[in-house]
Amino acid sequence: NAGVTQTPKFQVLKTGQSMTLQCAQDMNHEYMSWYRQDPGMGLRLIHYSVGAGITDQGEVPNGYNVSRSTTEDFPLRLLSAAPSQTSVYFCASSYAGTGNEQFFGPGTRLTVL
Amino acid sequence: GQQLNQSPQSMFIQEGEDVSMNCTSSSIFNTWLWYKQDPGEGPVLLIALYKAGELTSNGRLTAQFGITRKDSFLNISASIPSDVGIYFCASLTNTGNQFYFGTGTSLTVIP
Repeated sequence: NAGVTQTPKFQVLKTGQSMTLQCAQDMNHEYMSWYRQDPGMGLRLIHYSVGAGITDQGEVPNGYNVSRSTTEDFPLRLLSAAPSQTSVYFCASSYAGTGNEQFFGPGTRLTVL
Repeated sequence: GQQLNQSPQSMFIQEGEDVSMNCTSSSIFNTWLWYKQDPGEGPVLLIALYKAGELTSNGRLTAQFGITRKDSFLNISASIPSDVGIYFCASLTNTGNQFYFGTGTSLTVIP
């Protein structure tokens, strides 16, 4: 199993550009989520999904869109990048249910100039 | 949103020393989780706690779910260099769908 994979590993954007961060898992997990990690702030939940076709907002959803057309994939879209979106982004997945272990991807380091 | 207050923010200890860190919240939670993050990697789950008062060990790590359900503690005994990293507490909303993470404790172990 590859686990949770994320691409790209690094990305530099100019303000106003759009891009999609890719996330895939091969563990047949129902639950998938996106976090951003900023210095001194821990991880903050952006969006999550409890299954294909179902998504919901987390703590900091503004400026980001998601979709979940398959169980395996959960892409995160930035429609118009802003410098405030410079961060490290982590995707995670788990079986549905309270407290099930989340498996995290290796992260995408995004810089918006 | 929810806020998990984690302390201390950073620790510098000698190899072999014991470490203690904690996490508090103004809200009641039903689950407490402790993660470790190595540089350049995603967090990895260390211990999960599901019941108030629960004390759980994983090797040299011991964590407790506070009786008030508003706090949790993580202890590391006899630290070694590979314990270096950032430790996060996390918890779930009662629906079990939204995770909240603490701000992290950065641990440095001096050989």
